[in-house]
Amino acid sequence: AQTVTQSQPEMSVQEAETVTLSCTYDTSESDYYLFWYKQPPSRQMILVIRQEAYKQQNATENRFSVNFQKAAKSFSLKISDSQLGDAAMYFCAYFIIQGAQKLVFGQGTRLTINP
Amino acid sequence: DTEVTQTPKHLVMGMTNKKSLKCEQHMGHRAMYWYKQKAKKPPELMFVYSYEKLSINESVPSRFSPECPNSSLLNLHLHALQPEDSALYLCASSQDRAVGNTIYFGEGSWLTVV
Repeated sequence: AQTVTQSQPEMSVQEAETVTLSCTYDTSESDYYLFWYKQPPSRQMILVIRQEAYKQQNATENRFSVNFQKAAKSFSLKISDSQLGDAAMYFCAYFIIQGAQKLVFGQGTRLTINP
Repeated sequence: DTEVTQTPKHLVMGMTNKKSLKCEQHMGHRAMYWYKQKAKKPPELMFVYSYEKLSINESVPSRFSPECPNSSLLNLHLHALQPEDSALYLCASSQDRAVGNTIYFGEGSWLTVV
């Protein structure tokens, strides 16, 4: 079964600094999709970035980028120039292709931005 | 416009009440989802509708009854709930269930069962 592990329950970073959130997953599929979602106190889950496993190039969205290591089954999120609005719970998610075709989430990392 | 609208934002109901949560999207998406999220936990999938037909029921108790009246609307009917059903209920949608389509979430409905 596919599982997603986020080993850092909480992280904090100074405003304007860079922080990396880790995520590992376990799968036997060769093709799949990975996502990072952000959930601020408003509770709406907001897509931050997505990565197709068949693409070797790491996805980037403005200040957000991923380090996708397929062989290591690692999918970390780097946030550059951290801003106060980045404070949120961040969930890594894996899209199961075979069978269920559903999104499986990790346990989340709570990110605090220190001014 | 990537908006999924959920009503009500907050709901308090007794264990004998019947209530409904509503979800609406106007993005032309043909897949819609209900997730349940307990405090400090990730969302857990409950139901998936694809082209207005129920595709996935993750062994959810029958006191939760989903309904998809049309491609834009998704309801979750609640009856005889238990206090442990108190949670944030998230609605979501995607273009369809094709692999890798981005799933967009609403702000959720906070449900408290007393």
